[in-house]
Amino acid sequence: NAGVTQTPKFQVLKTGQSMTLQCAQDMNHEYMSWYRQDPGMGLRLIHYSVGAGITDQGEVPNGYNVSRSTTEDFPLRLLSAAPSQTSVYFCATRQRTDEQYFGPGTRLTVT
Amino acid sequence: QQQVKQSPQSLIVQKGGISIINCAYENTAFDYFPWYQQFPGKGPALLIAIRPDVSEKKEGRFTISFNKSAKQFSLHIMDSQPGDSATYFCAAISPSSGSARQLTFGSGTQLTVLP
Repeated sequence: NAGVTQTPKFQVLKTGQSMTLQCAQDMNHEYMSWYRQDPGMGLRLIHYSVGAGITDQGEVPNGYNVSRSTTEDFPLRLLSAAPSQTSVYFCATRQRTDEQYFGPGTRLTVT
Repeated sequence: QQQVKQSPQSLIVQKGGISIINCAYENTAFDYFPWYQQFPGKGPALLIAIRPDVSEKKEGRFTISFNKSAKQFSLHIMDSQPGDSATYFCAAISPSSGSARQLTFGSGTQLTVLP
């Protein structure tokens, strides 16, 4: 039981490049979310999903796309990377309780 | 607009001392208040949580104190240990976020416990 896994752990992109951050869970949780963590700002919600085929925007969705074709996977796509997207990205899941389980994170640097 | 304000930004405590981290919120609709602990290079992990119908919750050395009228809640770590050195986040959930029940986080407190 791996819980929540994220790949890659580290990534460096050039401005304008695109990439996908992967998130997978093996807990059969309905709810999945993406957060970004920046110094002094806590974690901010980017996008979330309440089930396969259903996604919605969070607090800071601009520049990011998501899709949820299966219960297990919730990839986050950066369409055209910008230096402002340099951050640590966390995927989280939960079932019907309020406890969220976070993955280990992806540290992204955009130059 | 930051709905959950956390202080202090950093905290240094001697081993065996009490660590206190405070949070204040604005949205009176919040109905769940968790604290998350994060070690370097790891994701946040739920430490302890409280709902507004109680004023205090204790789990081992960790206690949440909740003051509904003042719209404040705090984390107390008794007998602080070097292994408690981490970043702590308070958070809150509002029923208005619907079935998503999404978290609003404070800005975090970096705790260092000196040996």
